[in-house]
Amino acid sequence: EAEVAQSPRYKITEKSQAVAFWCDPISGHATLYWYRQILGQGPELLVQFQDESVVDDSQLPKDRFSAERLKGVDSTLKIQPAELGDSAMYLCASSLAPQGRNSPLHFGNGTRLTVT
Amino acid sequence: GESVGLHLPTLSVQEGDNSIINCAYSNSASDYFIWYKQESGKGPQFIIDIRSNMDKRQGQRVTVLLNKTVKHLSLQIAATQPGDSAVYFCAENIRNAGNMLTFGGGTRLMVKP
Repeated sequence: EAEVAQSPRYKITEKSQAVAFWCDPISGHATLYWYRQILGQGPELLVQFQDESVVDDSQLPKDRFSAERLKGVDSTLKIQPAELGDSAMYLCASSLAPQGRNSPLHFGNGTRLTVT
Repeated sequence: GESVGLHLPTLSVQEGDNSIINCAYSNSASDYFIWYKQESGKGPQFIIDIRSNMDKRQGQRVTVLLNKTVKHLSLQIAATQPGDSAVYFCAENIRNAGNMLTFGGGTRLMVKP
């Protein structure tokens, strides 16, 4: 079964440093999401892409976070500078359905970020 | 703001028994709901979904019930197995919100052998 690939699986960085996460969605999935999950809580949406365009980034802290999906396939999420409160699991998900169509999101296994 | 929530943070059941995990939602504009299972160190795994024009949907050993009158969602797992031990999340999609899911806080299911 096709999967959403994410790397790295774990990342430890010092505060004020830059960090980047990569995601390769399921082939053919036009919609891609980045979620952040704090331990013990449900995932929270950061940004949604439809192909290469940002659909919603209202919850993305744009002073330090950026996301791109230049060719409409894989995506990168960057944090610069990292802060202690950014320690969390960063999950990528993809969906076959375009914006506005209800369908399941398929998640990768995430990148666990620890900021020291 | 309106959000999805869960009644019980932890549910402990005996292997072989049936499990029921509950979820309350408050947004009347929600029209699509999903249950996810998340094991330690992994991403959420799709279990089952239901649209608001349905009251019940069944899968393999799982059933989702939707009560729109009281804005309540439940996941029933038949003959619970040790492999069912995980955190379960319900998620809602608000109508015309562009397939963006809002997750609740999760319920941990512990299966005792």
